[in-house]
Amino acid sequence: EAGVAQSPRYKIIEKRQSVAFWCNPISGHATLYWYQQILGQGPKLLIQFQNNGVVDDSQLPKDRFSAERLKGVDSTLKIQPAKLEDSAVYLCASSLVREGEQFFGPGTRLTVL
Amino acid sequence: AQSVSQHNHHVILSEAASLELGCNYSYGGTVNLFWYVQYPGQHLQLLLKYFSGDPLVKGIKGFEAEFIKSKFSFNLRKPSVQWSDTAEYFCAVKFLTDSWGKLQFGAGTQVVVTP
Repeated sequence: EAGVAQSPRYKIIEKRQSVAFWCNPISGHATLYWYQQILGQGPKLLIQFQNNGVVDDSQLPKDRFSAERLKGVDSTLKIQPAKLEDSAVYLCASSLVREGEQFFGPGTRLTVL
Repeated sequence: AQSVSQHNHHVILSEAASLELGCNYSYGGTVNLFWYVQYPGQHLQLLLKYFSGDPLVKGIKGFEAEFIKSKFSFNLRKPSVQWSDTAEYFCAVKFLTDSWGKLQFGAGTQVVVTP
């Protein structure tokens, strides 16, 4: 079974630029999550989708971050404009059902200069 | 506010030593409890989980954890570690305050096992 795929794996941008990350969850998984992991901290949930609907985006900085999950499969997370403090690893995870085990992708390491 | 705390940020031990990693959370309601592991260069993966029932949970690779409700703790243990257990370990708690239950992670413990 293929795992959660993410791209790119690494991204370096300057502050005020925009960036987008892509996630392809495990086939058939209804729930998709985006986490932000800052160095030295655990992952923090940014947004959770159930199929193509948002069920929790309470910790998403909506003035600069946006995410969508078209057709309930792939998802993109966008930051515009980026700030220095956005430097982190962005993890995508998926689960078959909302109560199920979350499977994580390899993450995208973002460096904002 | 709900929080998850892990007692140690770094642990160094020798092969065959016993390992215990502490995890506490602040919340008096219903929770689901998890330990995740991230081996060098690999994805986060689930070690074990507790939803209900026997508070002593066995996971993969010889790990186990004990849920002590009165202490709001979910400590991870392994009687004899191997070099391959070198990894970062994260405790995570799903606070079931609503139907969706957000998963909240601790800061992680970096474990280094020396030969």
